Amino acid sequence: DAGVTQSPTHLIKTRGQQVTLRCSPKSGHDTVSWYQQALGQGPQFIFQYYEEEERQRGNFPDRFSGHQFPNYSSELNVNALLLGDSALYLCASSSRAGTGTKNEQFFGPGTRLTVL
Amino acid sequence: GDSVTQMEGPVTLSEEAFLTINCTYTATGYPSLFWYVQYPGEGLQLLLKATKADDKGSNKGFEATYRKETTSFHLEKGSVQVSDSAVYFCALFYSNRDDKIIFGKGTRLHILP
Repeated sequence: DAGVTQSPTHLIKTRGQQVTLRCSPKSGHDTVSWYQQALGQGPQFIFQYYEEEERQRGNFPDRFSGHQFPNYSSELNVNALLLGDSALYLCASSSRAGTGTKNEQFFGPGTRLTVL
Repeated sequence: GDSVTQMEGPVTLSEEAFLTINCTYTATGYPSLFWYVQYPGEGLQLLLKATKADDKGSNKGFEATYRKETTSFHLEKGSVQVSDSAVYFCALFYSNRDDKIIFGKGTRLHILP
């Protein structure tokens, strides 16, 4: 079991550009959540995808958008990048259908985004 | 709203010392409580959890007890090792609600040999 994977590992962009981050969930999981972790802070919830729809959203602007594919993988898109978007972006997967560990979120290693 | 507050770091201890990292929470319902650990350059790993009041979560020598009366979930370990050096996050989560995890700001732990 490969666990949750994310790509790329690191990314450098300039202000105003757009970026796409990718996440493949753990085998058997159908739900993907995205978090932003700024330096020295705890992760902040961005949004969650299930059945290819955005189900929950945190306090992030519309510049942050996402997508979930039929194979449950997901993308996070950020438009018009700002310096403040520099952070570690974490993807977490979970299963809505399971019991016991239902909804337990497993985290990937993250993508480090630097905006110059 | 819901929130988690944990002691600020860094916390520096010698190997084999006793560890306590304080965590308190504010909750509008009855969440599950977690401790996550983040090693340098890695993502988050679930260290332990407790799903209801008076539950004790434990793993790898770490323990935390869900105290509803004091709204606390302090992390403890009797004898720390250099390999425990990491950032520790306290968090809460409603499994029957909106599925988002609310994290504290994290506490960096340095263990000296």
